[in-house]
Amino acid sequence: DAGVIQSPRHEVTEMGQEVTLRCKPISGHDYLFWYRQTMMRGLELLIYFNNNVPIDDSGMPEDRFSAKMPNASFSTLKIQPSEPRDSAVYFCASTVGTGDYGYTFGSGTRLTVV
Amino acid sequence: QKEVEQDPGPLSVPEGAIVSLNCTYSNSAFQYFMWYRQYSRKGPELLMYTYSSGNKEDGRFTAQVDKSSKYISLFIRDSQPSDSATYLCAISPWGYNKLIFGAGTRLAVHP
Repeated sequence: DAGVIQSPRHEVTEMGQEVTLRCKPISGHDYLFWYRQTMMRGLELLIYFNNNVPIDDSGMPEDRFSAKMPNASFSTLKIQPSEPRDSAVYFCASTVGTGDYGYTFGSGTRLTVV
Repeated sequence: QKEVEQDPGPLSVPEGAIVSLNCTYSNSAFQYFMWYRQYSRKGPELLMYTYSSGNKEDGRFTAQVDKSSKYISLFIRDSQPSDSATYLCAISPWGYNKLIFGAGTRLAVHP
């Protein structure tokens, strides 16, 4: 298995533009998580899905952020409009069951909003 | 108060040293404990996990949990330059799939 695949690896965009981050979880994993990592706040959970259904989106910072999981092999995190304070590394992770085997993280998308 | 507290370091040690990394947590409902390692510009990778008090050993790594003190530790014996990374503790309530991460401790092992 190729692991959790995220795209793009790097994204530079201007303030006000729409940004879409993509994630392909490991086949067979029924949980998918979106995290954001910054120096100031560390790794923060934004939202997670179980069997493609959003379970907890309490970490989504505001309405500019939205996430979807249309099927078991694909998820998107969208920011519209983007702001400089959204600059961070966004990670997608997946796991199976209650997470006894830990999460497998993707390599992340480094987002810079200028 | 944060749910998980972890000293961000940085921690610098000579090769061969024993390294001790620690986290404290506030909620006794947390029952599941993990340590992740993150190399620069990479995603975190699972290093060790445990759900009981006591020690768990895997090669040069030992994870220790003290639920009465709400304190978890990771020990690295015979540290190597390849161990240079950020180490994150992560905790979760039992059977509830929502990991909360510590801030991460940056470790540098110099030859």
